[in-house]
Amino acid sequence: DAGITQSPRHKVTETGTPVTLRCHQTENHRYMYWYRQDPGHGLRLIHYSYGVKDTDKGEVSDGYSVSRSKTEDFLLTLESATSSQTSVYFCAIRRTGELTEQYFGPGTRLTVT
Amino acid sequence: AQRVTQPEKLLSVFKGAPVELKCNYSYSGSPELFWYVQYSRQRLQLLLRHISRESIKGFTADLNKGETSFHLKKPFAQEEDSAMYYCALKSHGQNFVFGPGTRLSVLP
Repeated sequence: DAGITQSPRHKVTETGTPVTLRCHQTENHRYMYWYRQDPGHGLRLIHYSYGVKDTDKGEVSDGYSVSRSKTEDFLLTLESATSSQTSVYFCAIRRTGELTEQYFGPGTRLTVT
Repeated sequence: AQRVTQPEKLLSVFKGAPVELKCNYSYSGSPELFWYVQYSRQRLQLLLRHISRESIKGFTADLNKGETSFHLKKPFAQEEDSAMYYCALKSHGQNFVFGPGTRLSVLP
């Protein structure tokens, strides 16, 4: 599905380095989300956006920042990566219409060594 | 507070056996509930939602407001059903709250 893509798909980085993950959508949806997926915790919301330059914190936002300068792109930045941020990161868009759903990207596997 | 719980981390059943994945929620008001599935190394995808009252891949889920539950059921499990299943609630703020997930393993 090309509606939402994430880059990179895999990344290994060292503790203390900055990392930026990109989420790109082609469907012009207003709402976009970043989640992390960890065993035993399921999906936890990091940040979300409800429009260009409009963002808000989720459940686990410490250590993360986001930016949305264009409707189609939502960036997640780890200012100084830590080993606890090793995870799989999923971006999602909210598809609206007659029925609402969250539609997910393919995920980015991040390893912080 | 809005919360979704899935008490089983792992559920193993034999092929052809019935499956029930449990989901309970806490929510004030009329909830909108969903089941998402993630097959190995794939993206999460919507399986079904309660307001559609649909059956997808043989799975059904009924909302029980009295028990605040939305259990996912299938009468005869198939090996291809092996996956991670997440129950989710659309919250007042229009965000989704996900449960911790249950890994279903269907044994041959």
